[in-house]
Amino acid sequence: GQNIDQPTEMTATEGAIVQINCTYQTSGFNGLFWYQQHAGEAPTFLSYNVLDGLEEKGRFSSFLSRSKGYSYLLLKELQMKDSASYLCAVKDSNYQLIWGAGTKLIIKP
Amino acid sequence: GAVVSQHPSRVICKSGTSVKIECRSLDFQATTMFWYRQFPKQSLMLMATSNEGSKATYEQGVEKDKFLINHASLTLSTLTVTSAHPEDSSFYICSARDMTGDHQPQHFGDGTRLSIL
Repeated sequence: GQNIDQPTEMTATEGAIVQINCTYQTSGFNGLFWYQQHAGEAPTFLSYNVLDGLEEKGRFSSFLSRSKGYSYLLLKELQMKDSASYLCAVKDSNYQLIWGAGTKLIIKP
Repeated sequence: GAVVSQHPSRVICKSGTSVKIECRSLDFQATTMFWYRQFPKQSLMLMATSNEGSKATYEQGVEKDKFLINHASLTLSTLTVTSAHPEDSSFYICSARDMTGDHQPQHFGDGTRLSIL
């Protein structure tokens, strides 16, 4: 079957750095997406990785290792507004998006 | 760019009512749109994939006669919840992908919070 694993919940301190991991087992791979979802709102697109390596976009970076079936989202200089759920999603060989359950990130002052 | 508009944002209605939700891609064309449902504190659940000009593809366990999907143009898909009951109360979210390529991300509407009394 297809499976995406991410931690259920993480806690970090304002101003610090946090890394949210995602591992996947899917039938084929055509890219990995990270989305941010605030409570009661729809997800918003953060990043896309299809090749191995690190993609940096401001305070957020996303890393991919296809051989390990592994990605992480790195958030730097954490702000209170970063408190949200972070969803990892993988596009499989049929270009269907398989969603992880999301990681709830709690930022403390 | 890549704006998806979803309307209405909130619906409260009586049991037995049919509710129509619209999803529009405002600045791009989308041959494929997706309809999700999300219950409180749970992950997104894909309900169906809406394809322009053809029938929608429903996920296992989703009743096609209850959740009617129409995708009549490259910028509009609609979801109609027919004869809604309290157990249909949920957060419904649509997303659309730019038709220019499969590598494009899905962009989400703001969601519709449906409450059936």
